Amino acid sequence: NAGVTQTPKFRVLKTGQSMTLLCAQDMNHEYMYWYRQDPGMGLRLIHYSVGEGTTAKGEVPDGYNVSRLKKQNFLLGLESAAPSQTSVYFCASSFRQGAAYEQYFGPGTRLTVT
Amino acid sequence: ELKVEQNPLFLSMQEGKNYTIYCNYSTTSDRLYWYRQDPGKSLESLFVLLSNGAVKQEGRLMASLDTKARLSTLHITAAVHDLSATYFCAVVSDSGKLIFGQGTTLQVKP
Repeated sequence: NAGVTQTPKFRVLKTGQSMTLLCAQDMNHEYMYWYRQDPGMGLRLIHYSVGEGTTAKGEVPDGYNVSRLKKQNFLLGLESAAPSQTSVYFCASSFRQGAAYEQYFGPGTRLTVT
Repeated sequence: ELKVEQNPLFLSMQEGKNYTIYCNYSTTSDRLYWYRQDPGKSLESLFVLLSNGAVKQEGRLMASLDTKARLSTLHITAAVHDLSATYFCAVVSDSGKLIFGQGTTLQVKP
């Protein structure tokens, strides 16, 4: 039981390049989330999904797109990377959304955009 | 809009001392999480506080929740070096999302 995994762990992009971050969970969770973590700001929600085939915007969605084609996978895409997207990205999943349903976090992806 | 604020943001303390980290939030919520993050690592869940007056303890850490004051505290007793990490509180909004505080970086010196 691997929990939540993320691929890749590290990536360096040049401005304008595109990439996709992959999140996978093996806990049969309905809900999945993408956060970014910047120094001194805690984690901020980018996009989330309440089930296969559904996505919704979070607090900071601009410049990102997501897809949830399979229940176990949640992809985060950057179509044209900008230096402001340099951050650590965390994926999380939960059985449901809300108070009693704990989110489980992946190990993170450190992205640098030059 | 729910806002979550922690203080202090940085805490340097001697081993053996006690201290408290505070987490204030701006709108009604009765569900709060505390996480620990080691440098370069992911978030590890420490406590889930589900009701007013809830108190949970694990080793040298004790967390409490006062929903009327919109305040949670994380108390550290007789700190040891292994507790050095960044601690986050996160509050569940009325839409079910987690809103995080800025984090408190704790450095315990021998």
